[in-house]
Amino acid sequence: GENVEQHPSTLSVQEGDSAVIKCTYSDSASNYFPWYKQELGKGPQLIIDIRSNVGEKKDQRIAVTLNKTAKHFSLHITETQPEDSAVYFCAAQGVYNYQLIWGAGTKLIIKP
Amino acid sequence: DAGVTQSPTHLIKTRGQQVTLRCSPKSGHDTVSWYQQALGQGPQFIFQYYEEEERQRGNFPDRFSGHQFPNYSSELNVNALLLGDSALYLCASSLGGADFKRYFGAGTRLSVL
Repeated sequence: GENVEQHPSTLSVQEGDSAVIKCTYSDSASNYFPWYKQELGKGPQLIIDIRSNVGEKKDQRIAVTLNKTAKHFSLHITETQPEDSAVYFCAAQGVYNYQLIWGAGTKLIIKP
Repeated sequence: DAGVTQSPTHLIKTRGQQVTLRCSPKSGHDTVSWYQQALGQGPQFIFQYYEEEERQRGNFPDRFSGHQFPNYSSELNVNALLLGDSALYLCASSLGGADFKRYFGAGTRLSVL
């Protein structure tokens, strides 16, 4: 079945620097790729998503890129701020599938 | 506009008991999915309800069952609780059509002793 691998498991960056989180999926039929941010004690919050017919999408300081050939997608956060500290999850969904398959998560730490 | 609401927020049960968790979807949404999130892991898909029917099920035993009501709210029932059922249970709502965006509630933290 579908599998999503996410790296790194922990990422520590200086405030103001950029952060990049990478995910690889196994099912070439996957066509939807969301990213979620989860803060302690809260449910996952959708921050950005991309469909397979688009290579890149940007929303202010956040961007996602998709490489269908290599079956990987990445989250880019620029000008990081303390409130960006959280656990970030990538996920993938196939064409004939209603479930999201999730990565294991990346703990992002923003150092002041 | 209310988001996804789940109740209760915390629950403590003992092995062998049964539990019911509840979810109200975001206004305008007709589809509810349930996920189990163990500590330090990504969520695992339990099942999805659309038009009061279970549309798809993940790799969970029959002890996990659900229901969707005409107002689109949903319940997750777990019978014969095991210690391993201790987790955060998340409800996500979405539109049943081509919009894949899911919005999650804050979850119910279940502890099985």
